[in-house]
This record gives sequence, C-alpha cells and structure tokens, in this order.
Amino acid sequence: EVQLLESGGGLVQPGGSLRLSCAASGFIFSNYAMSWVRQFPGKGLEWVSTIGGRGGTTYYADSVKDRFTISRDNLKNTLFLQMNDLRGEDTALYYCTKVFAWNDHWGQGTLVTVSS
Amino acid sequence: DIVLTQSPATLSLSPGERATLSCRASQSVSNYLAWYQQKPGQAPRLLIYDVSNRATGIPARFSGSGSGTDFTLTISSLEPEDFAVYYCQQRSNWPQTFGQGTKVEIK
Repeated sequence: EVQLLESGGGLVQPGGSLRLSCAASGFIFSNYAMSWVRQFPGKGLEWVSTIGGRGGTTYYADSVKDRFTISRDNLKNTLFLQMNDLRGEDTALYYCTKVFAWNDHWGQGTLVTVSS
Repeated sequence: DIVLTQSPATLSLSPGERATLSCRASQSVSNYLAWYQQKPGQAPRLLIYDVSNRATGIPARFSGSGSGTDFTLTISSLEPEDFAVYYCQQRSNWPQTFGQGTKVEIK
C-alpha cells in the first residue's frame, strides 16, 4: 500500500524558511517522479514543484521559483521542499504526491502558515 | 497558463440522482485531463485520468468524457459517499493547473 507522510509544516514569520519532508513507502520510490501540490485556505489547488525519479530534473511554478527547492533522498525514500523567503500567500496545506503521469497518490498534507 | 473553469460551483442533488459536472479549458488540453474527488478533511483522490479512464478501485458509476476544451464527469447514480468536491486538472501544458472545484451536496 502506497503511503506518503508529510511533516515539517508550522507557523513562520514572513521572510522565514521551512523545510517540508515526505516519507514514502509501499512503492519503489526512485522509479517515480514526485510533486508538491498546495491547497489554499479557500480550497483552491496549485501545483508547486515536481522532481524526476533520479532527482536530475526539477520543475517549479513561477510563484515559487527561486524561493523553493525540491529534492529527494532515494536511499531514505524521502522527498523534501525547502521553502525560503516565505510570504503570506504561501499559507496553505502542502501535499506530496506520487506521480505516474498524474498525481495518483496523495499524502494527508502538512500545514504551513506564514504570519507575523 | 491554461485556465480550467468548472461549473456549476455547487450541485445540489439527492442520492440516486445523476450528477453531471463540467470542466472547460481556456485552450485545448488534448486528452490530458483528470478528475479528483476530495472529501472533508481528506486529500484529493484520483478518480479519472486521460479524460475517461477510471483509476484503480473507482466504481463504474463514475465516468468521464470530452475532448479538446470541454469535459464532463458523470456520476450515474449518487451514493451517499459521493457527496464531495470534485476538481479537474490538466497536464497538457506546464504548469499543470486545476479547476476551482464543484461541490456536490445533498439536496
């Protein structure tokens, strides 16, 4: 059974940083691209970033480019999202997803709140 | 970016009724269109991919259709567990984008 467990969210001041993690199990982690998708308080969904299975290719939404960095540790089956220079509009529930063309499995999310 | 517009915003129906949800793209997405279901307090779940293919474990009462810019998710006979929010998503062009959702509520 595929399981994705996010952690690392919390309350941070504007301009601050957070590092999200997603522990994966139940599938061969290195065989799949992984993504982060966020859901805003008003419930809209926004794709944030995707990384290839080997970690060599990364993609970012314009809204987070140059501030967020996606990475993965295939030995530890873990996905990361380093978030710097956080803004109020980054407040959201962050999901990690397993990608097989589509976001075919989602974790339960970790909440990031950016506020002073 | 491709904008996906879902309609209606809310659909009020009774169990056993047929639900028809629409997703319109601002430009053609070919067949790169999926539907997700989200229940309160849960993550989205993939229902339909590539317009009309049901994901693993999805009941046959869910079906998808359409092409190009106009797509439909149909629930043939609503079960109590189907009352939820439904999102469409395209991956034809980067960045992948989502519609704003249609809430299917109990009438």
